[in-house]
Amino acid sequence: KNEVEQSPQNLTAQEGEFITINCSYSVGISALHWLQQHPGGGIVSLFMLSSGKKKHGRLIATINIQEKHSSLHITASHPRDSAVYICAVEDTGNQFYFGTGTSLTVIP
Amino acid sequence: DSGVTQTPKHLITATGQRVTLRCSPRSGDLSVYWYQQSLDQGLQFLIQYYNGEERAKGNILERFSAQQFPDLHSELNLSSLELGDSALYFCASSVAGFWGNIQYFGAGTRLSVL
Repeated sequence: KNEVEQSPQNLTAQEGEFITINCSYSVGISALHWLQQHPGGGIVSLFMLSSGKKKHGRLIATINIQEKHSSLHITASHPRDSAVYICAVEDTGNQFYFGTGTSLTVIP
Repeated sequence: DSGVTQTPKHLITATGQRVTLRCSPRSGDLSVYWYQQSLDQGLQFLIQYYNGEERAKGNILERFSAQQFPDLHSELNLSSLELGDSALYFCASSVAGFWGNIQYFGAGTRLSVL
């Protein structure tokens, strides 16, 4: 049973394209996290959301608590955005559940 | 650089052995989290410590244990190692122990059990 489902699993885009990665979850959450993992393996936290929408530069994350769904958008994608993007949810018992990740490749 | 230090970077050992992974959190962070990332299971939450006390436990095997010391560094002990324990182990830290905190990840320790 997967508490967190991400789609798509793989995504290839041309530089400049608008990208959307989706995350659906089945548990009650206290927060949702979007993580970025580069080919070298390092993980960076991009966003932590409990409601609404957040924006950092070209990245936008939204969450709909009622529908148990979040999206990560990348505007004007660039080859340096190529990475694996992972959705993680945190429940009120401090448990964390991870999606399997979306592997993004942006072609120049 | 996240400010979270994990050592060693790589560890190669044999089945049945015991290893210790070390994590130093960012200065001022009281919470430490341990995660395992394997090819077949993806990322899994193992355990969280806050200011020296265990706060939450995830899918941590009984052969694994962790602790957080008074100086806030943490160690993850893996014993009776099996081939399936080969994975990348990440430590992360955050300022507080309650939910909804941004976590800062270390570079990970890659464990290979032969």
